[in-house]
Amino acid sequence: EDKVVQSPLSLVVHEGDTVTLNCSYEVTNFRSLLWYKQEKKAPTFLFMLTSSGIEKKSGRLSSILDKKELFSILNITATQTGDSAIYLCAVPQGGSEKLVFGKGTKLTVNP
Amino acid sequence: NAGVTQTPKFRILKIGQSMTLQCAQDMNHNYMYWYRQDPGMGLKLIYYSVGAGITDKGEVPNGYNVSRSTTEDFPLRLELAAPSQTSVYFCASREGDVLNQPQHFGDGTRLSIL
Repeated sequence: EDKVVQSPLSLVVHEGDTVTLNCSYEVTNFRSLLWYKQEKKAPTFLFMLTSSGIEKKSGRLSSILDKKELFSILNITATQTGDSAIYLCAVPQGGSEKLVFGKGTKLTVNP
Repeated sequence: NAGVTQTPKFRILKIGQSMTLQCAQDMNHNYMYWYRQDPGMGLKLIYYSVGAGITDKGEVPNGYNVSRSTTEDFPLRLELAAPSQTSVYFCASREGDVLNQPQHFGDGTRLSIL
């Protein structure tokens, strides 16, 4: 059965800290891995990763994929209170339209 | 930029009542999806559609129905509401193959069944 496991489930840090969020997956016919940020409402798209070892970067956020070890990490440097959110990892189920989501990591950044 | 619009934002139903959650997108996306999100859980796919007139079951379709008569609209119907359907419901859409295009989500409908 395809599955996505995120860790930690919850994380509390202080502003300025650097955090690393983890996502491991088991899926047949892997195509891509996606990261979303969910604040109070809709998940918003952050990154889509398809190739191993190529870092995607957007401001203080970056992500990388390891297709050999079947995981991805999302890094956030110099965290701010506005980074507080649930970060979701998702992988398309092999050969279908279905996205398999992890349970998410709830990040709280305290001032 | 409307994107994906869901209505209503909140609703309380009594057990056994029925209702339709509305979802509309103005991006001419062929692919549309309905998810539910329970506390502490990720999103679970209920139904999806790859184009007008085509729908298919996701991971948790029981108790729900959908239709896709137009490209823009993808309503989700609950026929006999049950407490287990208390959740936040998200509609999403995307264009093209998932390898190249991410899904875009609406703001959600928070539904309570009492």
